[in-house]
Amino acid sequence: DGGITQSPKYLFRKEGQNVTLSCEQNLNHDAMYWYRQDPGQGLRLIYYSQIVNDFQKGDIAEGYSVSREKKESFPLTVTSAQKNPTAFYLCASSNGRDEAFFGQGTRLTVV
Amino acid sequence: KQEVTQIPAALSVPEGENLVLNCSFTDSAIYNLQWFRQDPGKGLTSLLLIQSSQREQTSGRLNASLDKSSGRSTLYIAASQPGDSATYLCALRDYGQNFVFGPGTRLSVLP
Repeated sequence: DGGITQSPKYLFRKEGQNVTLSCEQNLNHDAMYWYRQDPGQGLRLIYYSQIVNDFQKGDIAEGYSVSREKKESFPLTVTSAQKNPTAFYLCASSNGRDEAFFGQGTRLTVV
Repeated sequence: KQEVTQIPAALSVPEGENLVLNCSFTDSAIYNLQWFRQDPGKGLTSLLLIQSSQREQTSGRLNASLDKSSGRSTLYIAASQPGDSATYLCALRDYGQNFVFGPGTRLSVLP
């Protein structure tokens, strides 16, 4: 089955800890995206990548980092510099300007 | 800067009713518009994609229209069912390949 897989589904982070969220797609899409969703708010773009080994900051990139070493993978690291990381994180991919597909999300909680 | 609004913010209807969800945007220079469905705690599921040159798209009980000149899109759901209960989001794709999301309409279909 083609699609986007995010893992883990739930993640807990201690204060001062870096954590990495995984996003893998087997749709052969060039573009991949990371969004953050907070209760009662719309989706906000963190980072996006339109091609391997290249990525761009979105609207709320501070405290986050990404890499795009393979076409299929676009991991997101939430660093200790992100002061309010508790949120629902969504990964998406698309081929150019065609239809976009989303993963099932990772819920990150600070403990 | 593109701004997207969705009205109403929440809607509750009895089963069997036909209903319309609205999406408005401020800049008509869009590449396409996509409607998504989101169930609680889940990712986004693509429903319909309308290219900027198209006026409408249909899938089963769903019909989406696009009027760029007036900055509006509507999602029509026929013969609503309790399983249609979810949050519905519209997203515009600009010519830079990025998305701008609306805040969503939370739909409840009562049995």
